[in-house]
Amino acid sequence: LAKTTQPISMDSYEGQEVNITCSHNNIATNDYITWYQQFPSQGPRFIIQGYKTKVTNEVASLFIPADRKSSTLSLPRVSLSDTAVYYCLVGFTGGGNKLTFGTGTQLKVEL
Amino acid sequence: KAGVTQTPRYLIKTRGQQVTLSCSPISGHRSVSWYQQTPGQGLQFLFEYFSETQRNKGNFPGRFSGRQFSNSRSEMNVSTLELGDSALYLCASSLAGGLEKLFFGSGTQLSVL
Repeated sequence: LAKTTQPISMDSYEGQEVNITCSHNNIATNDYITWYQQFPSQGPRFIIQGYKTKVTNEVASLFIPADRKSSTLSLPRVSLSDTAVYYCLVGFTGGGNKLTFGTGTQLKVEL
Repeated sequence: KAGVTQTPRYLIKTRGQQVTLSCSPISGHRSVSWYQQTPGQGLQFLFEYFSETQRNKGNFPGRFSGRQFSNSRSEMNVSTLELGDSALYLCASSLAGGLEKLFFGSGTQLSVL
């Protein structure tokens, strides 16, 4: 299973765009990249998943360069409610792999 | 569509006791995985069940065990509780497991005194 590295924490202000980068140098050919968001005392919530290039949904974008050794979660115009821990996971869809969440990135959004 | 339900929400036990936690997945989901979350260690994978079979196991001692029933509901058991077992235990369900979209419950907060 690919090991991931993320910044421990990030600070931002309301209305700004936040980019959180995840490094995964030993990603395998059939691995996908998935991001989750977690608020205190709650289970993580799926944000976005991608394999290559760019994926966008109603809450975020995921940028994956051609070598796929890193990925960047982009949150447009953050608000106070985006204050949470963000986890990057790498693995293949379907069973057969142990999901490792790592320590995640604590994002703090201020006024 | 009902989400993932975990019971109980809070639990207080003493050292040496055992505990059973329950997880009801989203209807139609056949994979249930369990995680332990502590401030110091973060989210750690315990095990995953698919169609009543344990498919993956994390690096936890044998005191941690689980099972899955034919209706996909799952239970996790911890025997001979230790103080270090105090944690938030989360379960997640998905259609087939792995890195597809996981749906998490709110967890069971276990305190061992």
